[in-house]
Amino acid sequence: AQTVTQSQPEMSVQEAETVTLSCTYDTSESDYYLFWYKQPPSRQMILVIRQEAYKQQNATENRFSVNFQKAAKSFSLKISDSQLGDAAMYFCAYRSGGSNYKLTFGKGTLLTVNP
Amino acid sequence: NAGVMQNPRHLVRRRGQEARLRCSPMKGHSHVYWYRQLPEEGLKFMVYLQKENIIDESGMPKERFSAEFPKEGPSILRIQQVVRGDSAAYFCASSEYDQGVDYGYTFGSGTRLTVV
Repeated sequence: AQTVTQSQPEMSVQEAETVTLSCTYDTSESDYYLFWYKQPPSRQMILVIRQEAYKQQNATENRFSVNFQKAAKSFSLKISDSQLGDAAMYFCAYRSGGSNYKLTFGKGTLLTVNP
Repeated sequence: NAGVMQNPRHLVRRRGQEARLRCSPMKGHSHVYWYRQLPEEGLKFMVYLQKENIIDESGMPKERFSAEFPKEGPSILRIQQVVRGDSAAYFCASSEYDQGVDYGYTFGSGTRLTVV
């Protein structure tokens, strides 16, 4: 079974600074997808960024980028120019590349942004 | 497009009662997933359904829990004889795939179940 580990229960960053959230995963599959989701106090799960395992290029979405290290099974999220609205729980998630589309989530990292 | 609609947003049940949680997927989505989130935890997969069929229920407790996604109408997650340990936020998500192309995976806002 796949597992996803987020080793940082909490992180904080100053507004406008950069922060990196860590995620490692364990799988024996070669075809899979990785995701970062944001959950603000409203509880809504919002997709931040996704990475296909077959792609060597790291995904980027505006101020959000990932460092995908397939051999090390590592998938960290970098948030640049942090904003107050970035404060939330961040969850790393894994999905198999097969026909079962369920997600396996890590326990999350609570990000605080200080003004 | 109204997105994934879950209701109720909050549900309070006494121990031993039944809880019914509803999820209307995004228009055009035929895959539905239910997840449970306990305090201080990530989301845990419960069940995956595709119109009238249960594809994977490996995360759902064998007793008291059931799920359905009928041809017409919303998906229902049903918890019979609730206990305090069932208190959690329950999230539904929907998605659509066509010939291997992933058209997105969207979450609802969740139902917070409190068992008193």
